[in-house]
Amino acid sequence: QVQLQESGPGLVKPSETLSLTCTVSGGSITNYYWSWIRQTPGKGLEWIGYMYYSGSTNYNPSLKSRVTISVDTSKNQFSLKLSSVTAADTAVYYCARVQTRWYPFYYFDYWGQGTLVTVSS
Amino acid sequence: DIQMTQSPSSLSASVGDRVTITCRASQSISNYLNWYQQKPGKAPKLLIYAASSLQSGVPSTFSGSGSGTDFTLTISSLQPEDFATYYCQHTYSTPWTFGQGTKVEIK
Repeated sequence: QVQLQESGPGLVKPSETLSLTCTVSGGSITNYYWSWIRQTPGKGLEWIGYMYYSGSTNYNPSLKSRVTISVDTSKNQFSLKLSSVTAADTAVYYCARVQTRWYPFYYFDYWGQGTLVTVSS
Repeated sequence: DIQMTQSPSSLSASVGDRVTITCRASQSISNYLNWYQQKPGKAPKLLIYAASSLQSGVPSTFSGSGSGTDFTLTISSLQPEDFATYYCQHTYSTPWTFGQGTKVEIK
């Protein structure tokens, strides 16, 4: 059974960089796309971006200038960095696997439990 | 960006009721449409992909239909564990976007 677990600071200061890691267990990170999604009461669910295990990426244009998603295949982990954060970036952040078995149909089949990140001084 | 609009935003229903939730896309997305269920404090769970394909392990009381811009999630007989918030999501093109959610509450 594939499991994903987010980790990282729960509190980040304004203008600093939010950094989260997603550890994948029960399966390999290779041959899949991996994604970050966030959720706020005001904006709902927002797709941040995804990356293929080989390193190619696709980001939401609304966040593209501030986002970096990277992978460490040796640790079966992938990471999110969001720079220059403001209070608007306060959210529950989820990592998820993108299933492409039925290409060209993509969907999130496994999710982490989510981690709340608050941006505040 | 393609906007996804769900209706209603919330509904009250009883156990055993048939429930229908609608999702409308701001442009045609063929059948690149997924449905998720989310319970408080939990991550979303995939129910339906490609508009009408039932994810493995999901009860057959859930079904999806539609193509183009209009889609429907139907729960044929509402069970106590189905009280949750439901989201549609398109993957027709990036950025992938979600509907605002439909909360199904107990009447």
